[in-house]
Amino acid sequence: AQRVTQPEKLLSVFKGAPVELKCNYSYSGSPELFWYVQYSRQRLQLLLRHISRESIKGFTADLNKGETSFHLKKPFAQEEDSAMYYCALKGYSTLTFGKGTMLLVSP
Amino acid sequence: SAVISQKPSRDICQRGTSLTIQCQVDSQVTMMFWYRQQPGQSLTLIATANQGSEATYESGFVIDKFPISRPNLTFSTLTVSNMSPEDSSIYLCSGRGGGGGGELFFGEGSRLTVL
Repeated sequence: AQRVTQPEKLLSVFKGAPVELKCNYSYSGSPELFWYVQYSRQRLQLLLRHISRESIKGFTADLNKGETSFHLKKPFAQEEDSAMYYCALKGYSTLTFGKGTMLLVSP
Repeated sequence: SAVISQKPSRDICQRGTSLTIQCQVDSQVTMMFWYRQQPGQSLTLIATANQGSEATYESGFVIDKFPISRPNLTFSTLTVSNMSPEDSSIYLCSGRGGGGGGELFFGEGSRLTVL
């Protein structure tokens, strides 16, 4: 069975502070992991995927197979980063989502 | 990328009735999925909509309660049958293109409230 755990429901930081949204997974195969984001009143959209090893909007995420983690990080949070963030694991054909973490960035 | 449109965007329904949600994709996708997002919960996969054949349901979801159709590559419907207040939720249509990579595109969701 595949499972994704996001331990924090809410993460509140001040603008300019570093951010780390935690994600741990459980999967017997080779994992394919994603971060999705949902801004207020917008649809869910892909933020980044571990395969591409890219930085989007200043966010990065490194897959750590030893710790089975895929934490999302940004060195300096911006107010516009406030959103709901979902970590997701792709199995054979379907995507399993974590419960999500609401990030609130205050001025 | 694919743009996915859903309708209705929201509805208020009476207990015992059924509602069909439509999902239209602007380009061909190889796979389409239906998710449910209950209040305060994550997205839960209901089923994979298969073109021209019966949908593949996840554990806890059955065809009698959530019949799904996918007559072609760009259109699918989800019906929530014999609704109860526990069915109040956001229902999301999603699609994946054929280029691999696993990215899903999502519709804006259909928010159903069952009284």
